[in-house]
Amino acid sequence: KQEVTQIPAALSVPEGENLVLNCSFTDSAIYNLQWFRQDPGKGLTSLLLIQSSQREQTSGRLNASLDKSSGRSTLYIAASQPGDSATYLCAVSDRGSTLGRLYFGRGTQLTVWP
Amino acid sequence: EAEVAQSPRYKITEKSQAVAFWCDPISGHATLYWYRQILGQGPELLVQFQDESVVDDSQLPKDRFSAERLKGVDSTLKIQPAELGDSAMYLCASGTVGTGDQETQYFGPGTRLLVL
Repeated sequence: KQEVTQIPAALSVPEGENLVLNCSFTDSAIYNLQWFRQDPGKGLTSLLLIQSSQREQTSGRLNASLDKSSGRSTLYIAASQPGDSATYLCAVSDRGSTLGRLYFGRGTQLTVWP
Repeated sequence: EAEVAQSPRYKITEKSQAVAFWCDPISGHATLYWYRQILGQGPELLVQFQDESVVDDSQLPKDRFSAERLKGVDSTLKIQPAELGDSAMYLCASGTVGTGDQETQYFGPGTRLLVL
């Protein structure tokens, strides 16, 4: 069974810092990897999706990398802002004949203070 | 922009009562998922539908949980009887196989269940 681990569990930083969130998974036979953002009491918003054949994806101040062979991904947040405060979830997808299921980590709870 | 709709947003019930959650996926999305997220943890899949058929319900506690998607569009998740440990956020997601490389799941706002 796929196991996804995220480190650290929580992170509190001052505004402006560059951050790295880590994700590891046990089974390298993935279809893709996604990073989601979840605000308190809300649903999930997809931030970045990396296909298994790709090494990284970028969106604005966010950059996600994938090393499939070692079972690792990192989410890099540049110049953090208080509005970035949320829980960040990493998820990997397997895929059979239909759209695959997602296996999630427990998330990293990020607080960016002014 | 199209969104996944869920109702109710919040539900408080007493243990042993029946509860039901509803999800309306994005139009045209053939795949629908129900996830359960316990506070402080990541979501875990309960059931996956492809059109009206169940693809994966291996993690669904079938003695008390049931899910249906009769016409392959909206879906209902039911718990009967509810137990204290069922308190969680219930998330619905939908998706479709893309023509390119991009395939993702779109999540609804969730239903937060509290069992007293």
